[in-house]
Amino acid sequence: GESVGLHLPTLSVQEGDNSIINCAYSNSASDYFIWYKQESGKGPQFIIDIRSNMDKRQGQRVTVLLNKTVKHLSLQIAATQPGDSAVYFCAEIRLTGGGNKLTFGTGTQLKVEL
Amino acid sequence: DAGVTQSPTHLIKTRGQHVTLRCSPISGHKSVSWYQQVLGQGPQFIFQYYEKEERGRGNFPDRFSARQFPNYSSELNVNALLLGDSALYLCASSLGQGTSEGYTFGSGTRLTVV
Repeated sequence: GESVGLHLPTLSVQEGDNSIINCAYSNSASDYFIWYKQESGKGPQFIIDIRSNMDKRQGQRVTVLLNKTVKHLSLQIAATQPGDSAVYFCAEIRLTGGGNKLTFGTGTQLKVEL
Repeated sequence: DAGVTQSPTHLIKTRGQHVTLRCSPISGHKSVSWYQQVLGQGPQFIFQYYEKEERGRGNFPDRFSARQFPNYSSELNVNALLLGDSALYLCASSLGQGTSEGYTFGSGTRLTVV
């Protein structure tokens, strides 16, 4: 069945270091892969997405890499800041036109140490 | 411009009771989706409504129902509550049926069933 899963439940990094959060997926029919950030008491917040026919996309301090050969997705955060501390989810979506749903993974807790 | 608003923010119910959760989408957004997020897991898709019609349904029992009103706000109803229904219920709005970037989540309703 469809699933999007994460390798590590918790990631601790020093402030200023780069963070890499990984995700494995199984649904080859996904149209987009998306990274969300969820802070305590809030809903998921969109960070960046990548279309399934791309292998890299960059945003402000973030880069998403997609390796379709091994069905792997990663989020790189440059110069990690305390405000980056949150749970990060990867998700996928298939745009069917008849109702589009996001399928989320379990999440990785990112802790930024001062 | 207000974001996605959900009410109530917290709710405690007894097993067997009924609950109604409410969501107001971003002004101009015509689609509302509902997700259930159990503690420590990623959100799970429940429903998507677009232009007041159900466009998608996740793997949830018939105890879960929803509707969308002419002003595009939405209600999620859960009957015969079970302890396992305790979760954060998230509403996401989008302009159309949704691309990857188009979903904006509310902060959720925390439902506790005792």
